Amino acid sequence: IVLTQTPLSLSVTPGQPASISCKSSQSLLHRDGKTDMYWYLQKAGQSPQLLIYDVSRRFSGVPDRFSGSGSGTDFTLKISRVEAEDVGVYYCMQGMHLPPWTFGQGTKVEIK
Amino acid sequence: QVQLVQSGPELKKPGASVKVSCKASGYNFTIYPVHWVRQAPGQGLEWMGWINSNTGNPTYAQGFTGRFVFSLDKSVSTAYLQISSLRADDTALYYCATVIWGQGTLLTVSS
Repeated sequence: IVLTQTPLSLSVTPGQPASISCKSSQSLLHRDGKTDMYWYLQKAGQSPQLLIYDVSRRFSGVPDRFSGSGSGTDFTLKISRVEAEDVGVYYCMQGMHLPPWTFGQGTKVEIK
Repeated sequence: QVQLVQSGPELKKPGASVKVSCKASGYNFTIYPVHWVRQAPGQGLEWMGWINSNTGNPTYAQGFTGRFVFSLDKSVSTAYLQISSLRADDTALYYCATVIWGQGTLLTVSS
């Protein structure tokens, strides 16, 4: 499965929204009804931190300005109002429930 | 809290071997598989494979067979990644991960 993220870079004014797309080469819907789409943020010098799992569920402690949506092969991560602490590289990922894992190329988010 | 703590940075010469550890805490280690991910300098994330934390059965991604070995010691809730016959292009950050990730271990291979 290949995941294609767009855009690969994003420059956002603080307080403005941002959106990242992740398209899969095949459906991520499993027979059990779960859809295997995760979103991670890797800040500079840190390991990836989980933001969203199972398409739209926010991980513990993740601010509600982050939201995930989508189904099948098309998924989106949205930040309703970007803050300075949101800079880093965002990765979509699939395979948590059924390896192998694959990652998107990453989207670098910067503040204007 | 749930965390994975990895061993420290390593500097090795070409041809040597290295063993990276990943100690889990805050959850039942045998429930979740441990995955290994490589990140070359300035690059994205590359999945290396995973090990069943209960049975110890490893699965390796293409490109990570032969020189790479996953193992674990359930008695200390620790997974290991061993790489042999190190080459310069093995220089990278190596992460262990379940849903959450370890802090990464920087491996530098240089003569």
